Amino acid sequence: GEDVEQSLFLSVREGDSSVINCTYTDSSSTYLYWYKQEPGAGLQLLTYIFSNMDMKQDQRLTVLLNKKDKHLSLRIADTQTGDSAIYFCAESEAISGGYNKLIFGAGTRLAVHP
Amino acid sequence: KAGVTQTPRYLIKTRGQQVTLSCSPISGHRSVSWYQQTPGQGLQFLFEYFSETQRNKGNFPGRFSGRQFSNSRSEMNVSTLELGDSALYLCASSLEGDRAHIQYFGAGTRLSVL
Repeated sequence: GEDVEQSLFLSVREGDSSVINCTYTDSSSTYLYWYKQEPGAGLQLLTYIFSNMDMKQDQRLTVLLNKKDKHLSLRIADTQTGDSAIYFCAESEAISGGYNKLIFGAGTRLAVHP
Repeated sequence: KAGVTQTPRYLIKTRGQQVTLSCSPISGHRSVSWYQQTPGQGLQFLFEYFSETQRNKGNFPGRFSGRQFSNSRSEMNVSTLELGDSALYLCASSLEGDRAHIQYFGAGTRLSVL
């Protein structure tokens, strides 16, 4: 079945770029997502990319997709203390009715320090 | 437009009891999915409802059930609670069509089983 893996921790200095990495296993066309979870909160969708794309940019966020290696990364430019959170990589599993089942990685805890 | 609303935010139950959690999707969203988040297992898909029908189900025991009403609001029920059911339960809603894969999450219901 599908599996999504991510590194668990990342510590960066305020103002630097953060790069969070993820690998996935689904070999079919799929959507891939980055969600952010702050303490005591639900999941906030940051961005998504379809598996036939290479890159997507949205303000400070850049998603890179290496389809051959099934590697996804999220780059946050000019990281701020407000970016401290857990970041989840997820892929959609194509099931009956569409892509409504998400497979999540374990989450990467991003700590931003002065 | 209001986001996904989950009630209650916190619940404390004892083993053997049952519990019902509620989810109101974003207005116009007809698909509702439920996920369980625990420190050990991470985020796992429970089930998805669309148009009052369970469309997909994850790998959880029959003690976990749900339903959806004609106004798209959904409830999930856990019977005969076990300590391991302590978790954050997240609900997500999505539109139909080409944006059906984009799931928007509520803040969750944190269930503690004593």
